[in-house]
Amino acid sequence: KAGVTQTPRYLIKTRGQQVTLSCSPISGHRSVSWYQQTPGQGLQFLFEYFSETQRNKGNFPGRFSGRQFSNSRSEMNVSTLELGDSALYLCASSLDRRQYFGPGTRLTVT
Amino acid sequence: KQEVTQIPAALSVPEGENLVLNCSFTDSAIYNLQWFRQDPGKGLTSLLLIQSSQREQTSGRLNASLDKSSGRSTLYIAASQPGDSATYLCAVGRGSQGNLIFGKGTKLSVKP
Repeated sequence: KAGVTQTPRYLIKTRGQQVTLSCSPISGHRSVSWYQQTPGQGLQFLFEYFSETQRNKGNFPGRFSGRQFSNSRSEMNVSTLELGDSALYLCASSLDRRQYFGPGTRLTVT
Repeated sequence: KQEVTQIPAALSVPEGENLVLNCSFTDSAIYNLQWFRQDPGKGLTSLLLIQSSQREQTSGRLNASLDKSSGRSTLYIAASQPGDSATYLCAVGRGSQGNLIFGKGTKLSVKP
């Protein structure tokens, strides 16, 4: 089976812009979670979607949002980008509580 | 609030050595615990998953143990190789929800 895929792999944006990241889970996986990884804070949970519904949300401002489509693909959106949003954004899919991660999207905000 | 700590933050060993990475968590009410490996600039590779009812899991040269009552897990790597060099992360899962709480990781360097 193909693994979790994330697009794009790299992004450079300017402060104040918005960005949309995409994640395609492993076939048959209905749960998709998003994480932010920075050198200072490590890996932090953003949100989880299951069957198109947000099931759980981390402690991030409302500028961070997401959604899941009927084919389980998920997108996350960050509006009004700040310098501190520069990070590796990782998506993970899960079938049986074991999480499988994609390669991540490296977002740089200038 | 669940907190996950990994000690040491970095470890350098000669090739062939057996080694132990440590992970501790503050709330014993966990659903499962996963160990991951992360190579520089890459995503996470799942190594081992231990359910809360289990004490250990093994895969090849890797063995992970879980002691919920003391809030500890260890990852044992036998006969280390330079290809094992990476950052190792442990993460605890809570209840039926999918999110994981991660430690900051141990950066392992295995010297030839």
